[in-house]
Amino acid sequence: EPEVTQTPSHQVTQMGQEVILRCVPISNHLYFYWYRQILGQKVEFLVSFYNNEISEKSEIFDDQFSVERPDGSNFTLKIRSTKLEDSAMYFCASRQNGPEQFFGPGTRLTVL
Amino acid sequence: QKEVEQDPGPLSVPEGAIVSLNCTYSNSAFQYFMWYRQYSRKGPELLMYTYSSGNKEDGRFTAQVDKSSKYISLFIRDSQPSDSATYLCAMREETSGSRLTFGEGTQLTVNP
Repeated sequence: EPEVTQTPSHQVTQMGQEVILRCVPISNHLYFYWYRQILGQKVEFLVSFYNNEISEKSEIFDDQFSVERPDGSNFTLKIRSTKLEDSAMYFCASRQNGPEQFFGPGTRLTVL
Repeated sequence: QKEVEQDPGPLSVPEGAIVSLNCTYSNSAFQYFMWYRQYSRKGPELLMYTYSSGNKEDGRFTAQVDKSSKYISLFIRDSQPSDSATYLCAMREETSGSRLTFGEGTQLTVNP
């Protein structure tokens, strides 16, 4: 069964450093998302991406965040200058045309 | 008022019990109602979704939506220890993008 994959599973970085989180959505899916979950808190929407552009973003997704689909398979989230409060699980999700969003296993980001 | 409210539990039941999980919401524009299951430090796994009001059954799981009360439920019949996880409700509007808004999740333990 096709699934969303994410790499790395765990990323440790120093405050102020740039990180890139990578996702490979399900191959025939058209809509791509990033969510995050701070430990013990709810899953929060960051950004959605369709047709090679951002279709919606939350107030969390400020200028330090960016997304890119550099080729036909990868979807990346870049955080330019990480802060302590960026420590969280980051989930990528994708969907085809229906409403079901399928989530990857997540990348745990730890900012020291 | 939070957009989506979900009792975080924890909820502990004996094997074979019927489990009832619930969410309330305030945004009357929500039209799609999802239930996800999340194991510790893993990605959310879609169980089922319902469009607008009504019931939907899938095996041991039944989802109910009452839009007049802004209340949704997930019932698990004949609960098994393998059902032990955190259950997340998530919702989205039909027309203004496809971001999911999640509840806090209810932690369920089914004891053998």
